[in-house]
Amino acid sequence: AAGVIQSPRHLIKEKRETATLKCYPIPRHDTVYWYQQGPGQDPQFLISFYEKMQSDKGSIPDRFSAQQFSDYHSELNMSSLELGDSALYFCASSYSGNSYEQYFGPGTRLTVT
Amino acid sequence: SQQGEEDPQALSIQEGENATMNCSYKTSINNLQWYRQNSGRGLVHLILIRSNEREKHSGRLRVTLDTSKKSSSLLITASRAADTASYFCATGMYSGGGADGLTFGKGTHLIIQP
Repeated sequence: AAGVIQSPRHLIKEKRETATLKCYPIPRHDTVYWYQQGPGQDPQFLISFYEKMQSDKGSIPDRFSAQQFSDYHSELNMSSLELGDSALYFCASSYSGNSYEQYFGPGTRLTVT
Repeated sequence: SQQGEEDPQALSIQEGENATMNCSYKTSINNLQWYRQNSGRGLVHLILIRSNEREKHSGRLRVTLDTSKKSSSLLITASRAADTASYFCATGMYSGGGADGLTFGKGTHLIIQP
């Protein structure tokens, strides 16, 4: 079965640079979520989109922004990167018509040097 | 603030034994989900239990939910080496406003000794 696709899988950036992470949800899923997981930490919810509109907002820094496009894929834009932004970034998708089970992608490992 | 707290933080058992992990949460929920994560990898959805359910089974997994105590447990029976992973509970509170994010607990790191 098709899963959530994230790209790139690994990314190395320097401080103050920008990064863009992409997420392609499972076909027919209309909702996308972004999570950040620091080393040894539990995942923290950042933001979600339903039908291309922002739905819920968590602990997303003002330096980050995200959007969902007409084909339901989503991008997380991160600017003025800081060392503390080094983490695994997960995208998850779900279909609003069922039980809200979220299916996670493999993650993008971002390293800021 | 953290919604879920997992107990124990780490658990090491022999292959074939049962493993029980507990999760507590603080606010009202619509559902509670359990996920598995192998080291540095993605989160795999295991099971979802709704707030009006008390117990749910899936293969070797058994999940209970006690909303009066705001707690849940995950039981893995007849453990295998491949079950070695971190296990997280995550709660969702869907207020009708859309797709709310999950709040994860701290996780239990389970090690199955061969």
